[in-house]
Amino acid sequence: EADIYQTPRYLVIGTGKKITLECSQTMGHDKMYWYQQDPGMELHLIHYSYGVNSTEKGDLSSESTVSRIRTEHFPLTLESARPSHTSQYLCASRPSQAFGTEAFFGQGTRLTVV
Amino acid sequence: AQSVTQPDIHITVSEGASLELRCNYSYGATPYLFWYVQSPGQGLQLLLKYFSGDTLVQGIKGFEAEFKRSQSSFNLRKPSVHWSDAAEYFCAVGPIQGAQKLVFGQGTRLTINP
Repeated sequence: EADIYQTPRYLVIGTGKKITLECSQTMGHDKMYWYQQDPGMELHLIHYSYGVNSTEKGDLSSESTVSRIRTEHFPLTLESARPSHTSQYLCASRPSQAFGTEAFFGQGTRLTVV
Repeated sequence: AQSVTQPDIHITVSEGASLELRCNYSYGATPYLFWYVQSPGQGLQLLLKYFSGDTLVQGIKGFEAEFKRSQSSFNLRKPSVHWSDAAEYFCAVGPIQGAQKLVFGQGTRLTINP
């Protein structure tokens, strides 16, 4: 069982609020990812990190920001939530060695902005 | 560009029947291939993976998949499905150079009839 945790699991929040989605892993993985998933749709990478103090934008443009101050922690922040941000957000991590490793996923945060 | 196609958006099978979920990929080198399952409101759980060697790989929960390079396919199979197999199934290829991310297909939603 993967040791990667996301909080909160569900969040309903009003437009304009600032929110932070938490993601923590206890496996010591260097690489971490945030995916956005709309209902019935594929996963789109919005942010990734190679390690501490390393963050990059993914394929899908997102108004969110991320930080990686500690190896185990990769929070995602929305400064001003909008209804268009309503989605499921999935955090993942993988170890550094080579390419032959899978990603481990958290249980996701389902965000609804009203 | 690397991509994954899952031609079937939704499949319904009867409990006890056999199952095959299709996955086709586009990748410039030897692919690393994955199948993940997502139950409602949950994150993604790895079912199986292919890196090299035997083209028929066994996974958890009685699933298997066969890698066919000539057809660029990695179809998932199960000889007899159970009601608990109802979920969303995602095929993925990667990790891709640079971000070393996984690229996911659109997913196939599996419904089981009693």
